[in-house]
Amino acid sequence: QQPVQSPQAVILREGEDAVINCSSSKALYSVHWYRQKHGEAPVFLMILLKGGEQKGHEKISASFNEKKQQSSLYLTASQLSYSGTYFCGTKGGNDKIIFGKGTRLHILP
Amino acid sequence: DAGITQSPRHKVTETGTPVTLRCHQTENHRYMYWYRQDPGHGLRLIHYSYGVKDTDKGEVSDGYSVSRSKTEDFLLTLESATSSQTSVYFCAISETSGRSGANVLTFGAGSRLTVL
Repeated sequence: QQPVQSPQAVILREGEDAVINCSSSKALYSVHWYRQKHGEAPVFLMILLKGGEQKGHEKISASFNEKKQQSSLYLTASQLSYSGTYFCGTKGGNDKIIFGKGTRLHILP
Repeated sequence: DAGITQSPRHKVTETGTPVTLRCHQTENHRYMYWYRQDPGHGLRLIHYSYGVKDTDKGEVSDGYSVSRSKTEDFLLTLESATSSQTSVYFCAISETSGRSGANVLTFGAGSRLTVL
């Protein structure tokens, strides 16, 4: 079952902050975050593991609440280059990585 | 770098014809995945492989089959293409990252398939 992402779309001005949420109805082993620019392949941003370990990227951070099966991606002081579609991917006890429908982020100058 | 190549990158075919998409990797990674991407649906897992001749179904496997006869190649076959299979198909490999060895995905450039 696909994780649920919110919001579906966000429009910000450069320098503003954004939060993207991801929730799952299943127990999670890890949460992945990817960004996709228009016409390109998704690119890895971050992974959060059960137990609290996380690996970050640039000015982007994230949290993972294992009990609630939720993760949030925090983009601070957004830059024009942050525009794109963000996907969370969740991994349970098997090797499947299931993605949400994505959150479109548009940064205005 | 993972070295993933998808072919063909673009294909137009007619309903009822068989289609095979190829994903080739040069890094000897164990895990390979096929996703399709459609507006409003995000990335949906079709099939994945955890080794040579070891494959399993994903969320949307109906109408698709896969084969992995050698580590470097993962083939996705549409036995009889339908218009609903018009999509962008992404292959991905799973690489270990950092000290924890957590697996992250690296995607190929995608294959755009149009079924008329």
